Amino acid sequence: GAGVSQSPSNKVTEKGKDVELRCDPISGHTALYWYRQRLGQGLEFLIYFQGNSAPDKSGLPSDRFSAERTGESVSTLTIQRTQQEDSAVYLCASSLGTGETQYFGPGTRLLVL
Amino acid sequence: AQSVAQPEDQVNVAEGNPLTVKCTYSVSGNPYLFWYVQYPNRGLQFLLKYITGDNLVKGSYGFEAEFNKSQTSFHLKKPSALVSDSALYFCAVRDDRGSTLGRLYFGRGTQLTVWP
Repeated sequence: GAGVSQSPSNKVTEKGKDVELRCDPISGHTALYWYRQRLGQGLEFLIYFQGNSAPDKSGLPSDRFSAERTGESVSTLTIQRTQQEDSAVYLCASSLGTGETQYFGPGTRLLVL
Repeated sequence: AQSVAQPEDQVNVAEGNPLTVKCTYSVSGNPYLFWYVQYPNRGLQFLLKYITGDNLVKGSYGFEAEFNKSQTSFHLKKPSALVSDSALYFCAVRDDRGSTLGRLYFGRGTQLTVWP
């Protein structure tokens, strides 16, 4: 079956612009996660959705970052007024439920000029 | 606090030799441990996991990992390395207690290079 998909694969934007990143999880997966991977670093947790529960937003680095998920399907990560330090690869993952193996998408490479 | 350490940024081995990529962890409760591999410009691919049971876990592509509770380690191993194993490897842990049940904590990654 299809894996996790993300779009766009690459995004170049100017400082101060808003960007939206999209994630399509594996069908049937109730949990969805966003991580950020800066160059040469490990993955940094951003936010986690599980079913209809309130999302765990504790990893979002600032109020410029927000994410939404419609039911158990698509999620959008929005970064407002982008800064150069937001440049990174943004990875989305999904799992059958909390604690199950997370399967990752190919990521969106964001470059803020 | 939850954390993962991968003490080696790089591991170099000759093809056909055994390889080990080290990982130690810290959690409040019981650990759920994972290894992922990342090829250039690709997302992370799941290799194997330890939840409970046998301390030796076998995964994809001939990789295995041994959970050692006393040493809080979960080293990744392969008896005979292939050039195609060259990639970036990440160890991750999830805590089974507390308010962070959903998230994985990742190490910084270890770049494995297998020389022909």
